[in-house]
Amino acid sequence: SQTIHQWPATLVQPVGSPLSLECTVEGTSNPNLYWYRQAAGRGLQLLFYSVGIGQISSEVPQNLSASRPQDRQFILSSKKLLLSDSGFYLCAWSALLRDTEAFFGQGTRLTVV
Amino acid sequence: AQSVTQPDIHITVSEGASLELRCNYSYGATPYLFWYVQSPGQGLQLLLKYFSGDTLVQGIKGFEAEFKRSQSSFNLRKPSVHWSDAAEYFCAVGGLAGKSTFGDGTTLTVKP
Repeated sequence: SQTIHQWPATLVQPVGSPLSLECTVEGTSNPNLYWYRQAAGRGLQLLFYSVGIGQISSEVPQNLSASRPQDRQFILSSKKLLLSDSGFYLCAWSALLRDTEAFFGQGTRLTVV
Repeated sequence: AQSVTQPDIHITVSEGASLELRCNYSYGATPYLFWYVQSPGQGLQLLLKYFSGDTLVQGIKGFEAEFKRSQSSFNLRKPSVHWSDAAEYFCAVGGLAGKSTFGDGTTLTVKP
């Protein structure tokens, strides 16, 4: 069966520090991968998605970047964090290119101080 | 552009009472619709989905949802709510490359 791992679960980082959140998927090949951000009391905002290795699409302009160095690995990064980067970050995957449901990781609570 | 509206930010129901969470969508073609549930500090879990066919779909944990094209709605229902159903619920419409658009969510509180 497929599983998705996301870490760390919580992270407190100072303003101006770098960020690296990692997500890996097991049990499937060539998944679509997504990074979402969820602000308190709000829905999910899609930040990045990827349909293959090295293929990244950004949905909103921001201080973050994403990379997909391997088929089932998706990384969210920042060179210098801002206070506004605080939030709950969720990695997800879905199958191929069909309109299908997403499977989510457990999320990372990022607090920038 | 596709969009999802969940009109109710917060709903409180008594344990054992029935539940209906509202969802309205905007999509240019036949929509793929989903309901997810999120417990505090956790990821989202799929409750049910509608792609085509029978407009009443059954999901996990005793939930069901009905697709009404004429009303652009996909409301979630449960006949009898349990305390463990307290969570946040998200409606979503699927898009190209699996990019779903989510509503802002409805927080469900269950009174004993």
